[in-house]
Amino acid sequence: EVQLVESGGGLVQPGGSLRLSCAASGFTFSSYWMSWVRQAPGKGLEWVANIKQDGSEKYYVDSVKGRFTISRDNAKNSLYLQMNSLRAEDTAVYYCARVSVAGTVDYWGQGTLVTVSS
Amino acid sequence: QSVLTQPPSVSAAPGQKVTISCSGSSSNIGNNYVSWYQQLPGTAPKLLIYENNKRPSGIPDRFSGSKSGTSATLGITGLQTGDEADYYCGTWDSSLSAHAVFGGGTQLTVL
Repeated sequence: EVQLVESGGGLVQPGGSLRLSCAASGFTFSSYWMSWVRQAPGKGLEWVANIKQDGSEKYYVDSVKGRFTISRDNAKNSLYLQMNSLRAEDTAVYYCARVSVAGTVDYWGQGTLVTVSS
Repeated sequence: QSVLTQPPSVSAAPGQKVTISCSGSSSNIGNNYVSWYQQLPGTAPKLLIYENNKRPSGIPDRFSGSKSGTSATLGITGLQTGDEADYYCGTWDSSLSAHAVFGGGTQLTVL
């Protein structure tokens, strides 16, 4: 059974940093692209970042470029999102998601809430 | 403002049928597969339809998907109160490397 479990969310002040983690199990983690998708309170889904199987390619939504870094450790079956210079508008539930071979975002974690507020 | 356009809400009575539209452009829906997700209150999104019209195992055939040109449609028949949820379409944007895009979501109310 595919499982994605996020952790690391919490309350942080504007300008602060936070590192999210996602522990993957039930599939060969190193064979899949992985994504972070976020959802602001009461809002829709917004894709944040993607990373290729070996970490050689990374892509970001414009609003987080230069502030967020996606990474992975295939030996630990883990995905990460380092978030710096956080803003109030980054407040959201952050989901870790798997991208299938055919390009479908097919499995999602339960999400971790990040609140940026003073 | 979401890249893909969905109606904010739809409603229908139990047992009836409802369709949810998703409109995009040639750079996204027009040249890529569309997926649909169901998000029940307080839970993570769940894949309902992939590659325009395929259902993952465990998804009942009451749920169907179709695509034509730059638009896609999710259909739900035999509505149940348990279908009340937010529904999102999603795809990739070919004009932006490996960028996923989603619709703004449609809230389904089963009256």
